[in-house]
Amino acid sequence: ETGVTQTPRHLVMGMTNKKSLKCEQHLGHNAMYWYKQSAKKPLELMFVYSLEERVENNSVPSRFSPECPNSSHLFLHLHTLQPEDSALYLCASSQDRWTGGVNTEAFFGQGTRLTVV
Amino acid sequence: TQLLEQSPQFLSIQEGENLTVYCNSSSVFSSLQWYRQEPGEGPVLLVTVVTGGEVKKLKRLTFQFGDARKDSSLHITAAQPGDTGLYLCAGRTTPDLSGTYKYIFGTGTRLKVLA
Repeated sequence: ETGVTQTPRHLVMGMTNKKSLKCEQHLGHNAMYWYKQSAKKPLELMFVYSLEERVENNSVPSRFSPECPNSSHLFLHLHTLQPEDSALYLCASSQDRWTGGVNTEAFFGQGTRLTVV
Repeated sequence: TQLLEQSPQFLSIQEGENLTVYCNSSSVFSSLQWYRQEPGEGPVLLVTVVTGGEVKKLKRLTFQFGDARKDSSLHITAAQPGDTGLYLCAGRTTPDLSGTYKYIFGTGTRLKVLA
């Protein structure tokens, strides 16, 4: 039990499909994040939620739509994706947003390996 | 744009060897973290260094934060197959005008330790 659980672990979808990624944290954290991890690229921060409010959106295309219904759950809704969107999508949580102390620790889920065909 | 370059990108060594991984930037960071990501898993925090020149040891792993807080290194002594994974550094930026910090992740070093 890592504390941050992501489902599904693997997803293959066509470019016209609509799917959702789910993240759940049982750590009582106030901030949650979506990251994209592609081969040969640094981890890219996509969205930040603090106390269920979206506080950061790093120029992510509108085909990615996040949702945070409560402090324990985070979704990433996907539609009309492109093959270059294939990547490992990681969810993370922390006690507070990055404006917290220097020892803010992010706890990551195992990720969803997404393949767009 | 703040960037964190890690070197080497890939490293394959024999069990028992020593190695050093570097994390470099032209920017100053208020703190720096090292994560390890094993295949099929998310990154897991190893250590946070805060003070310029700080050295922290975690069993066979030694972490150092540069004096100017622009770079860091991770040294592994007597590497074991269980050390295999992707090592990521993440720098906490200095605050922007709104007082917000960010964590910038490095490009990663993929380590493979052969038995």
